[in-house]
Amino acid sequence: SQQGEEDPQALSIQEGENATMNCSYKTSINNLQWYRQNSGRGLVHLILIRSNEREKHSGRLRVTLDTSKKSSSLLITASRAADTASYFCATSGAGGTSYGKLTFGQGTILTVHP
Amino acid sequence: SAVISQKPSRDICQRGTSLTIQCQVDSQVTMMFWYRQQPGQSLTLIATANQGSEATYESGFVIDKFPISRPNLTFSTLTVSNMSPEDSSIYLCSVEGDRRSSYEQYFGPGTRLTVT
Repeated sequence: SQQGEEDPQALSIQEGENATMNCSYKTSINNLQWYRQNSGRGLVHLILIRSNEREKHSGRLRVTLDTSKKSSSLLITASRAADTASYFCATSGAGGTSYGKLTFGQGTILTVHP
Repeated sequence: SAVISQKPSRDICQRGTSLTIQCQVDSQVTMMFWYRQQPGQSLTLIATANQGSEATYESGFVIDKFPISRPNLTFSTLTVSNMSPEDSSIYLCSVEGDRRSSYEQYFGPGTRLTVT
């Protein structure tokens, strides 16, 4: 079953603005990963944050993780039109039969207007 | 990161027929995963494919409908059998990286299937 919830479902901003997307999950996790998908194509891996980490940066991306609230956020700073895509969070369960299996959130559709 | 290719990239098939999707990885991996993404939806795990053993299917997916092969550590196939329009989806395979990559999971480009 899908355990991830993302909000907002859709986000529309102007180029140069920041975009924040949120993800919540229900069970204990090993890690949480964020992906980008352009126009129904394959998923591009953006960043992984482990359960014992609270914040991680990669270029214009900043990811936070709050395991007490079972939530994560993805911040894209200084957005560009090329950032227009769907963004998904995915959690990897903590051990046992969940190993390696990803549970995806519903995704956020980001539109960046030039 | 792993480089993953899938064949075909897209196909249009008639109901009642079957399609086999291939997934090739540029390095040896223990586990490969198959996901389905229905139109406008998120991804759902179909099954986990380990080399040398039967695939493990998630709830709602059965081997008769989605038989999987895993003949070696770099290749897997997923067959969508006796297709109906409800099977129209993007099918993606994925692999997990090693400890150096903190076990990041990488995806192939997907196979877009339309069933008429």
